[in-house]
Amino acid sequence: AQKVTQAQTEISVVEKEDVTLDCVYETRDTTYYLFWYKQPPSGELVFLIRRNSFDEQNEISGRYSWNFQKSTSSFNFTITASQVVDSAVYFCALSFYNQGGKLIFGQGTELSVKP
Amino acid sequence: ETGVTQSPTHLIKTRGQQVTLRCSSQSGHNTVSWYQQALGQGPQFIFQYYREEENGRGNFPPRFSGLQFPNYSSELNVNALELDDSALYLCASSPGTGLNSGNTIYFGEGSWLTVV
Repeated sequence: AQKVTQAQTEISVVEKEDVTLDCVYETRDTTYYLFWYKQPPSGELVFLIRRNSFDEQNEISGRYSWNFQKSTSSFNFTITASQVVDSAVYFCALSFYNQGGKLIFGQGTELSVKP
Repeated sequence: ETGVTQSPTHLIKTRGQQVTLRCSSQSGHNTVSWYQQALGQGPQFIFQYYREEENGRGNFPPRFSGLQFPNYSSELNVNALELDDSALYLCASSPGTGLNSGNTIYFGEGSWLTVV
């Protein structure tokens, strides 16, 4: 089965707190790609990161960081010192080498950052 | 700014009618895909087009069809609308070469369809 699970439906934090969004995926393919997207209320999915299955290095981009662990099939996303503008729904997604533009999305995690 | 634009942004249709949604993707993005996102859910893949041909389809019936044009624009057509078709429809494009891409996929802001 090919599946993405985001077990946290909603998370609420106070500004400046750190928050981690969990993502667990299932696949038997050896070549695959993992993504995180942010969806503000306007609806547009904003690309945050793409990672291929052969690159397990963690990545940091400003206040954002990602922890990819193949051993646990997880690709978690951490926001450090959260801000109100981070409030949105965040989606983790999976795609495969032979399936082009097809992304399999998780259910999403709604993050609310309160001032 | 993803360079992917969709129209209309909102529309209301009656059950049984037909609807056409439009998308314009970035120059050079040869692959376009469409997704349906019901309220509170993650987007679901409908189908993908590469060089004006459908080359991948999700679990959607034939009344969902599409077209891709040489000028990087595309359409999603839905016939015989049902109440459950009410959703946000997202267009996405990528510079990939069709199936074997794995490239970053960029999304538009979507078209909100309400079927009454």
